[in-house]
Amino acid sequence: AQSVTQPDIHITVSEGASLELRCNYSYGATPYLFWYVQSPGQGLQLLLKYFSGDTLVQGIKGFEAEFKRSQSSFNLRKPSVHWSDAAEYFCAVAAYPNNNDMRFGAGTRLTVKP
Amino acid sequence: ETGVTQSPTHLIKTRGQQVTLRCSSQSGHNTVSWYQQALGQGPQFIFQYYREEENGRGNFPPRFSGLQFPNYSSELNVNALELDDSALYLCASSPSAGDTDTQYFGPGTRLTVL
Repeated sequence: AQSVTQPDIHITVSEGASLELRCNYSYGATPYLFWYVQSPGQGLQLLLKYFSGDTLVQGIKGFEAEFKRSQSSFNLRKPSVHWSDAAEYFCAVAAYPNNNDMRFGAGTRLTVKP
Repeated sequence: ETGVTQSPTHLIKTRGQQVTLRCSSQSGHNTVSWYQQALGQGPQFIFQYYREEENGRGNFPPRFSGLQFPNYSSELNVNALELDDSALYLCASSPSAGDTDTQYFGPGTRLTVL
């Protein structure tokens, strides 16, 4: 079965600095990969997704992620972090095309320093 | 277009009791998935309902059960509550069972079992 590892439990960056959140997946076939953000008291919001095509995908709020099959990674990046980006970020993998049993990582909590 | 809503927001129960959580899907969505998110963890897939039938189940015991109604609203029922059932319960709706990338999450119900 598919699985996801997010190696960083908590990351602190200064406002305006660049950000990279790591995600490693395990899945035998072509993965369907996602990044979600969860703010306190909010549901998960989809930032971006990858299934095929260009390995660099653009998402909402200025985020992008790069799929690297050789490294089994799907890292999330943002060139300049805003204070409003402070939240919990989850990477997830699913078996296309069926969306049941989507597997999430444990999440990375992002703190943004003024 | 209304989003995914869940009720109640918070709930406190004692061990051994039963609980029902409710989810109202986004308009036009016929698929709903339920997830359990323990503190400090990513969401774990409980089960999915598609057009009122269970369409996949994660590694949860039978005391976790669900229903989906003709209007595509949904319930999650948990019998014989255990302390470890304390978690945030999320539902997510999507237009169809295969539409992983258009799964919209509700804000969740926080269940505390004492």
